[in-house]
Amino acid sequence: GAVVSQHPSWVICKSGTSVKIECRSLDFQATTMFWYRQFPKQSLMLMATSNEGSKATYEQGVEKDKFLINHASLTLSTLTVTSAHPEDSSFYICSAREGRANYGYTFGSGTRLTVV
Amino acid sequence: DAKTTQPTSMDCAEGRAANLPCNHSTISGNEYVYWYRQIHSQGPQYIIHGLKNNETNEMASLIITEDRKSSTLILPHATLRDTAVYYCIPIQGAQKLVFGQGTRLTINP
Repeated sequence: GAVVSQHPSWVICKSGTSVKIECRSLDFQATTMFWYRQFPKQSLMLMATSNEGSKATYEQGVEKDKFLINHASLTLSTLTVTSAHPEDSSFYICSAREGRANYGYTFGSGTRLTVV
Repeated sequence: DAKTTQPTSMDCAEGRAANLPCNHSTISGNEYVYWYRQIHSQGPQYIIHGLKNNETNEMASLIITEDRKSSTLILPHATLRDTAVYYCIPIQGAQKLVFGQGTRLTINP
């Protein structure tokens, strides 16, 4: 089945630094990937849609200059949290959809970001 | 996008069938009903999806009412590892997946 690999699984960084999270589709090509954020005891919140070869589409209220998304190939999308602050600490999850119609979306295992 | 209503939480005894309802009365004709679950601190896992016929796979069964306004996910023999938050999501084609609050299912020994 379709596999999405997300790396790192957890990261701790200092305030003001940037952190990059990678999302790879291992056995299929994904023209579209999605990035979510999840705070404790809350549901997943869609942040942006990542499109291969074009700019990402951000959901309302998500700062595109703070959460940089790059989707340079059909198997890799990256999310960079720039100038991280403690309030950016969260669980970040990516997902990708295999091209076949109505097959479903596959999710990465998530990245736990802690900003200190 | 169709709105969904799910119970906030449910309990089920280990070994029994867990029946999780979902109301999606505003679902459109082209929207499939997808079910995902999220075990604590993991990414969501696909369970099953259907359009209007009942579906079964190795994980679960999906019963969709004839008017398609509601559905029920059935885990036939729940185990402790089925404790998770379960999400019912109507979606059409390549739309983005938007999660509601889901049902927190606890399987008790």
